[in-house]
Amino acid sequence: KNQVEQSPQSLIILEGKNCTLQCNYTVSPFSNLRWYKQDTGRGPVSLTIMTFSENTKSNGRYTATLDADTKQSSLHITASQLSDSASYICVVSALLGGADGLTFGKGTHLIIQP
Amino acid sequence: GAVVSQHPSRVICKSGTSVKIECRSLDFQATTMFWYRQFPKQSLMLMATSNEGSKATYEQGVEKDKFLINHASLTLSTLTVTSAHPEDSSFYICSAVRDRITDTQYFGPGTRLTVL
Repeated sequence: KNQVEQSPQSLIILEGKNCTLQCNYTVSPFSNLRWYKQDTGRGPVSLTIMTFSENTKSNGRYTATLDADTKQSSLHITASQLSDSASYICVVSALLGGADGLTFGKGTHLIIQP
Repeated sequence: GAVVSQHPSRVICKSGTSVKIECRSLDFQATTMFWYRQFPKQSLMLMATSNEGSKATYEQGVEKDKFLINHASLTLSTLTVTSAHPEDSSFYICSAVRDRITDTQYFGPGTRLTVL
């Protein structure tokens, strides 16, 4: 069964600090992995997408890494801001890597404190 | 970027009534739209896949007669929760794609449904 596990479940850090969120998956055959940011009461917004051959991808202060051998991904947030408070969801795509065959993680709820 | 809207953003209804939620792709034609439900602190759960001009495909355990989906055009899909009960209270999110095989899903802002 395809699964995506995220850790930690929740995280509180001070504004300006860095943090790293983890995502482990057992989706097969793997096609791509996406990180989404979901503000409370809003729909998810895509941050990064990585395919099998990509090890790292950045989007501003967000840097995602992927180790396809160990089936792990991380999302690193640098110099956190209050607006980074949100849920971060790891989504892994199987099969043809399109809209079908997505497995969602439960997300990491991140709170940035001033 | 592609924009997907949902209406209404929040709705409160009485038990037994029906509620319609609209999902629109504002600046592109969506061959496929997806409907998700999300409970607090849970991941998104796919309810159904909607293709323009054809019947929706429902995930296992989702009642098609309770959650009616109509994808009448390439920019509009609707989800109607019929005979709503308090346990149907949830956050409903739609997403739209241009190309089902290769494209990214663009999510709507979600609709918070509360059934009293």
